[in-house]
Amino acid sequence: DAKTTQPNSMESNEEEPVHLPCNHSTISGTDYIHWYRQLPSQGPEYVIHGLTSNVNNRMASLAIAEDRKSSTLILHRATLRDAAVYYCILRDLIQGAQKLVFGQGTRLTINP
Amino acid sequence: GAGVSQSPRYKVAKRGQDVALRCDPISGHVSLFWYQQALGQGPEFLTYFQNEAQLDKSGLPSDRFFAERPEGSVSTLKIQRTQQEDSAVYLCASSPWREVHNEQFFGPGTRLTVL
Repeated sequence: DAKTTQPNSMESNEEEPVHLPCNHSTISGTDYIHWYRQLPSQGPEYVIHGLTSNVNNRMASLAIAEDRKSSTLILHRATLRDAAVYYCILRDLIQGAQKLVFGQGTRLTINP
Repeated sequence: GAGVSQSPRYKVAKRGQDVALRCDPISGHVSLFWYQQALGQGPEFLTYFQNEAQLDKSGLPSDRFFAERPEGSVSTLKIQRTQQEDSAVYLCASSPWREVHNEQFFGPGTRLTVL
């Protein structure tokens, strides 16, 4: 699986937008970009995924660079509940890759 | 609906003891995964089942670790002769086979402490 690089930690204020970056310079054409997050004392939960186009869902937006070598998870209006570790993961679903390969992730702190 | 459940939530074992960790996946989910998460680290893959077949056990750290899913539903992760380095949170996840992006649904984990 291709590797991703994320900042160790980020901090933001409540009700402000948050942009979480991820670099994946060795991404292949069939790698999907997935984001999971892990709230304190819980298992990870799915946030969003995409291949080439930007994606939106009720939780977040995913902006993918045109060359696909980087992506940004956008939380439009952070709440205290969004404080978590965010993981950017590449998955080659066409090859049938099933397991998730987690890195260190970005620990997001939200200030009230 | 009910999510993935794991039991026990916390387990303390003396070094050398055997432990068994249980995972109840979401009903109907074909795929089941086990991950190990050390303190301050991201989860690491241990093993993967599709129904009752164990298709990937490449992440099991030693032959002391054994997983089974005999009827394609509940799974048990067994660790024999536990060592201090086995202390971690063990996470179970399940996934429906036909989902395009194969989202994995995680349980809350079992925190194992080996003294």
